[in-house]
Amino acid sequence: TQLLEQSPQFLSIQEGENLTVYCNSSSVFSSLQWYRQEPGEGPVLLVTVVTGGEVKKLKRLTFQFGDARKDSSLHITAAQPGDTGLYLCAGAQAGGTSYGKLTFGQGTILTVHP
Amino acid sequence: EPEVTQTPSHQVTQMGQEVILRCVPISNHLYFYWYRQILGQKVEFLVSFYNNEISEKSEIFDDQFSVERPDGSNFTLKIRSTKLEDSAMYFCASSDILVPELHTDTQYFGPGTRLTVL
Repeated sequence: TQLLEQSPQFLSIQEGENLTVYCNSSSVFSSLQWYRQEPGEGPVLLVTVVTGGEVKKLKRLTFQFGDARKDSSLHITAAQPGDTGLYLCAGAQAGGTSYGKLTFGQGTILTVHP
Repeated sequence: EPEVTQTPSHQVTQMGQEVILRCVPISNHLYFYWYRQILGQKVEFLVSFYNNEISEKSEIFDDQFSVERPDGSNFTLKIRSTKLEDSAMYFCASSDILVPELHTDTQYFGPGTRLTVL
């Protein structure tokens, strides 16, 4: 059974601060996806990282995939109240008997105070 | 921008009743998935579907569950006899081709159906 441990579970910071969310696993993933989910809605894709060591930037958000493709991080610079929400990481395995099933982390609830 | 749609947004049913949750995946996608999220818990994989058959299913997806692609656009999840513990948000997702190197195994999620079993 694959597990993806996401931390921290809760993060409460002031506007302008930086933060990092981590996802760690003992399993290798073919890709890792970061989603943001609003209450009562479906996960909305932020980014997919595929290559070990890959870094992707989306405005103030920086995503990194570990060299061994077992871990990933999301770094937000100068957080704003609009960043408040639930952030999810999800690892995909493809090939062999797997058809892209996603394993999700527990999620990080981020609150950015004005 | 193409998106996955799901209906209904909220379904309330009595224990033991059958429910069908409907999804319209993104039109050129080939792989379809159902996930569920019990309140306060992780999103959990239920089943994947490709080429008109189930390709993988989790332990949760027992004989009470079935999936079908009855036509070229819809993808349904049926729960034959609902239990209280089936209450959850059910998400449909789709992806185009599983070629990770081309970044094309990304799954796009629908808004979900909230199932409440009384």
